[in-house]
Amino acid sequence: GDSVTQMEGPVTLSEEAFLTINCTYTATGYPSLFWYVQYPGEGLQLLLKATKADDKGSNKGFEATYRKETTSFHLEKGSVQVSDSAVYFCALVEYGNKLVFGAGTILRVKS
Amino acid sequence: DAGVIQSPRHEVTEMGQEVTLRCKPISGHDYLFWYRQTMMRGLELLIYFNNNVPIDDSGMPEDRFSAKMPNASFSTLKIQPSEPRDSAVYFCASSRQGTNEYYGYTFGSGTRLTVV
Repeated sequence: GDSVTQMEGPVTLSEEAFLTINCTYTATGYPSLFWYVQYPGEGLQLLLKATKADDKGSNKGFEATYRKETTSFHLEKGSVQVSDSAVYFCALVEYGNKLVFGAGTILRVKS
Repeated sequence: DAGVIQSPRHEVTEMGQEVTLRCKPISGHDYLFWYRQTMMRGLELLIYFNNNVPIDDSGMPEDRFSAKMPNASFSTLKIQPSEPRDSAVYFCASSRQGTNEYYGYTFGSGTRLTVV
């Protein structure tokens, strides 16, 4: 079945550092891909999405490009802030409306 | 819109007691999902509904868990009897299915359940 694999965390960075969180997926067809973010004590929020190959999703300085050839959807940000500290989830949906989530990656940003 | 509303935010109960978690989805959303989150197992989909009908309950861990959606604006997740290993954060999420657009899930703030 469909699955999503994320890099293990926690990822610890200094403020203004460059961020990459790797995400790869397995799917039988052409899924839509997503990144969700969970701040402490809150539910998950949709951060960005891409629905077809070579699409780039972006929001709040974060970007991710749908790479079909490498089945990847890596999350990047050029300069992280302390307020970006959260758990980031990569996810896909292929059929119907059922999301498949990765395990989540904890990001800690130090000032 | 107030978003997805879950209650209670925190619940502490003794082993063997019945626990009921509640969720009010966003008006107009036709899908509702119940998730459980723990450090050990991550985010697990327990059950989801479409137009108030349960579609997939394969994630419900055992018969002690049950979920209902009597109408479009309310759902419950019940655990009876509760056990310490049920301690987790339980999230409800809702979404709507578009024909040419994916709208994403909106999550509630969760219910933190502790069974002692």
